[in-house]
Amino acid sequence: SQTIHQWPATLVQPVGSPLSLECTVEGTSNPNLYWYRQAAGRGLQLLFYSVGIGQISSEVPQNLSASRPQDRQFILSSKKLLLSDSGFYLCALDGGGRSYNEQFFGPGTRLTVL
Amino acid sequence: QKEVEQDPGPLSVPEGAIVSLNCTYSNSAFQYFMWYRQYSRKGPELLMYTYSSGNKEDGRFTAQVDKSSKYISLFIRDSQPSDSATYLCAMTLDSNYQLIWGAGTKLIIKP
Repeated sequence: SQTIHQWPATLVQPVGSPLSLECTVEGTSNPNLYWYRQAAGRGLQLLFYSVGIGQISSEVPQNLSASRPQDRQFILSSKKLLLSDSGFYLCALDGGGRSYNEQFFGPGTRLTVL
Repeated sequence: QKEVEQDPGPLSVPEGAIVSLNCTYSNSAFQYFMWYRQYSRKGPELLMYTYSSGNKEDGRFTAQVDKSSKYISLFIRDSQPSDSATYLCAMTLDSNYQLIWGAGTKLIIKP
């Protein structure tokens, strides 16, 4: 079965510092991968979507970027964090084929920007 | 107006009660409807998945879709303290990877 790993689990960073969050996947190949952000009391906001190595679709203009250097690795980055970047960051993959809209989530990274 | 509306709660009920969680939506083109359960500080997990209208049952959980009213429901029978979590609804158009999410309802089951 597929497993999604995310690290770190929690992170506290000062405003203006860089960010790198990593997501790795096991048990599947060539997955469609997603980065979401969840703010307190709000739904999930899709940030990036990737169908393959080096293929990234950005859904929301912001100071974040994503990269997919390997098939099962998805990285979320920022050069300079803003206070508004605080939130719960979730990596997800979909079921593939006709189950592309069944999405499965990793454990998340809780980011606090001070 | 948000595309998907969901009462944030919290909804507090005694153990053993039947729970009803609901979402309303504005886009009549939505075809796929999902319910996710999210425990505190964890990622969401897919609970129920339905296509178009009708009911779907899985153990103590029943998902219901009423496309004419643009309204979906999740019923939990014989609720347990372990059901305490935030329940998020999500939906999407056909042939579209982008899910539209409700904000989630926090559910508390009191022993």
